[in-house]
Amino acid sequence: ILNVEQSPQSLHVQEGDSTNFTCSFPSSNFYALHWYRWETAKSPEALFVMTLNGDEKKKGRISATLNTKEGYSYLYIKGSQPEDSATYLCAFPGNQFYFGTGTSLTVIP
Amino acid sequence: DGGITQSPKYLFRKEGQNVTLSCEQNLNHDAMYWYRQDPGQGLRLIYYSQIVNDFQKGDIAEGYSVSREKKESFPLTVTSAQKNPTAFYLCASSIGSVGGVSYEQYFGPGTRLTVT
Repeated sequence: ILNVEQSPQSLHVQEGDSTNFTCSFPSSNFYALHWYRWETAKSPEALFVMTLNGDEKKKGRISATLNTKEGYSYLYIKGSQPEDSATYLCAFPGNQFYFGTGTSLTVIP
Repeated sequence: DGGITQSPKYLFRKEGQNVTLSCEQNLNHDAMYWYRQDPGQGLRLIYYSQIVNDFQKGDIAEGYSVSREKKESFPLTVTSAQKNPTAFYLCASSIGSVGGVSYEQYFGPGTRLTVT
């Protein structure tokens, strides 16, 4: 079993604040790192697939960076909105997907 | 519309009864997966199947069984041997894996099972 850790476990921010959270993963045998967003009462949806060290991906106000040498990825949300409230999962693929426990984000209007 | 369906959304059973959760996909994906989520925990893999008529145990397979007779379907049976079956169950699929590395997964809406 591979150890994929996310922090913090939960986060409450005010609307308009920017925020970030972390995913840590094994730095050896790296192939890719996936980020998913899981809104309440919906299915998890893929946000980013990151493959290269130093990679930075962006989708609207959400961006992610990747450091494969030290084994971490950051997810940033600029100017958080209530609709950003969700659990953000990272996953490290091997012969199966190894998911972190997620960061639960609540954006307070 | 292509996607993954799970039914029912909520399921209630008495302790000691087996129950089967449905998962169907029309994405033409080779691989399918079952996960369980408990409060405060991440997704834990129960079983996965990379191809029809073949499946492997995940991290928490005890008390569960699966079948993969058709590419589109991967039902999960929660048996009476599962000691703590009340949980949220998610099904997922992907195009498969290359070189032992899994591709992006697509998820169904989940089934919440309550056993009393």
